[in-house]
Amino acid sequence: GAVVSQHPSWVICKSGTSVKIECRSLDFQATTMFWYRQFPKQSLMLMATSNEGSKATYEQGVEKDKFLINHASLTLSTLTVTSAHPEDSSFYICSARDGGGRETQYFGPGTRLLVL
Amino acid sequence: GQNIDQPTEMTATEGAIVQINCTYQTSGFNGLFWYQQHAGEAPTFLSYNVLDGLEEKGRFSSFLSRSKGYSYLLLKELQMKDSASYLCAGMDSNYQLIWGAGTKLIIKP
Repeated sequence: GAVVSQHPSWVICKSGTSVKIECRSLDFQATTMFWYRQFPKQSLMLMATSNEGSKATYEQGVEKDKFLINHASLTLSTLTVTSAHPEDSSFYICSARDGGGRETQYFGPGTRLLVL
Repeated sequence: GQNIDQPTEMTATEGAIVQINCTYQTSGFNGLFWYQQHAGEAPTFLSYNVLDGLEEKGRFSSFLSRSKGYSYLLLKELQMKDSASYLCAGMDSNYQLIWGAGTKLIIKP
């Protein structure tokens, strides 16, 4: 149980384009999902917390107009990187927390974004 | 402020035992998590402690002392596949995870 999927796993795009990443909880309902970014050899950095049906809460320094988060259902959250630039190249990982009272976050496999 | 401290890197021998320590300071406390992260992959959940004491799960055990703000992850019978980063994370009163920088564990034959 507690499986989280992410799609796509790899994205290569040109500078200026927008990229959408999907995060799905496959066998549980996730009232809360989290989006992280991780640069090589660095620790996880929380970007935003997403609650189903409400606006995401962004961490300090994360531009909400650049990283659009939508959590329209209990099993799906999306992150859209708008007008991507090379400095946005990173490993983006989502996690989902079971809404049934368990507090464990389960991670998706991550999405590698390379902006040329 | 909130803070998680763990060693940056540790080295151990295949078949041996290693203990990875973590000290935490969080605003409120709702548990301590350990995750394993292999290079290039997302973290996977290992353990969750919210009460004092030792939780054993196969070759891995996790210990918590709330009064000392201290936890450790114990790995027994080390295998080469255990080479990874081990992330300690404390959950604060808002149920947000405060992440440590991770401990890179290198296993040598």
